Amino acid sequence: DTAVSQTPKYLVTQMGNDKSIKCEQNLGHDTMYWYKQDSKKFLKIMFSYNNKELIINETVPNRFSPKSPDKAHLNLHINSLELGDSAVYFCASSHAGGGQPQHFGDGTRLSIL
Amino acid sequence: GENVEQHPSTLSVQEGDSAVIKCTYSDSASNYFPWYKQELGKRPQLIIDIRSNVGEKKDQRIAVTLNKTAKHFSLHITETQPEDSAVYFCAATPRGYGGSQGNLIFGKGTKLSVKP
Repeated sequence: DTAVSQTPKYLVTQMGNDKSIKCEQNLGHDTMYWYKQDSKKFLKIMFSYNNKELIINETVPNRFSPKSPDKAHLNLHINSLELGDSAVYFCASSHAGGGQPQHFGDGTRLSIL
Repeated sequence: GENVEQHPSTLSVQEGDSAVIKCTYSDSASNYFPWYKQELGKRPQLIIDIRSNVGEKKDQRIAVTLNKTAKHFSLHITETQPEDSAVYFCAATPRGYGGSQGNLIFGKGTKLSVKP
């Protein structure tokens, strides 16, 4: 069983389109995260959600909006895609509270044409 | 906010040698320091972590040390094997960051190559 699963694995689309990435975890965790890994492999936090409440909203463009229907799911919706959005997006989850190990999904590679 | 520096960016060792990767952090309130291994095209995987109340932790060939005074922590891999080749990331979780939640602030990664 995959603990943190993301779909799709690959996403190729054109500039200006709107797309969503889905994430589900079956670990019973309370907190979920989205990270962006750019072409230089830098990993940077984008959002975190705890019990459907946004905890941190990093300085990402408001074209990115996380949506969590329940604590096992955290989807990422992106409007008006730009070339600079090309990256690998990783979902992760952990128990609530600081200092908890985070488990990552396999990533979604987003390519903007 | 927290800033994590990681060195070296690339490291090449012979099989059987030891490898050491070092990280420094800026926020003295940070209290959790995990290390992740990422193979090409794969997800980051937690290999070891340490909390601020511990100075050293070991798991078979992998060990992590933490110096809170100097605000640096290191990953030590002994008896390296070709399958240890990957990118390794250190991270820190600032205590006061985001209230009770702990976002990971990552270093920029070290590409480790173990030559047979």
